[in-house]
Amino acid sequence: GNSVTQMEGPVTLSEEAFLTINCTYTATGYPSLFWYVQYPGEGLQLLLKATKADDKGSNKGFEATYRKETTSFHLEKGSVQVSDSAVYFCALISGRDDKIIFGKGTRLHILP
Amino acid sequence: TAGITQAPTSQILAAGRSMTLRCTQDMRHNAMYWYRQDLGLGLRLIHYSNTAGTTGKGEVPDGYSVSRANTDDFPLTLASAVPSQTSVYFCASSELAGGGTQYFGPGTRLLVL
Repeated sequence: GNSVTQMEGPVTLSEEAFLTINCTYTATGYPSLFWYVQYPGEGLQLLLKATKADDKGSNKGFEATYRKETTSFHLEKGSVQVSDSAVYFCALISGRDDKIIFGKGTRLHILP
Repeated sequence: TAGITQAPTSQILAAGRSMTLRCTQDMRHNAMYWYRQDLGLGLRLIHYSNTAGTTGKGEVPDGYSVSRANTDDFPLTLASAVPSQTSVYFCASSELAGGGTQYFGPGTRLLVL
């Protein structure tokens, strides 16, 4: 079945550091891939998405590229801020299954 | 636009009691979802509705029921609460079932004692 695996947290970085959160997936067909972010005390909100191979999603300085050959969708940001502290979820929707599949989330702490 | 609202924000409930968690969206989305979020387990789908009048079971439906009488409302009912239902509950919606962005409510924090 479909699944999403993302790196376990928490991840702790200093402000202005480079961020990578790894995400790999298993899916039938050609899934759409997403990163959602959950700030403390809030629900999830879409951060970025990509719907086909080699697409790059970007938002708020974050980027992720849909890599079909490695079945990956790693999240990156060149210079993180304290306000980026949150939980990040990788997710997919497969064309054969209309239910979104979430990874378990990666908690990110940014220190000033 | 309010998006998705959930009520109550938080609740302490005695085991064995019933409770309905409310969810309302004003985006006229067809599909709606209920998830529970537990530490270390991420989000798990409880029930979903692809369109008004239809519902389906998700990954962890036992002990929960839902109804979708109209497009806007998707209440989740716990008929007889148990401590293992202590969790944070999120309602979400999407314009269509499958393929689209999901929009989440702020959550309901439930403690069952």
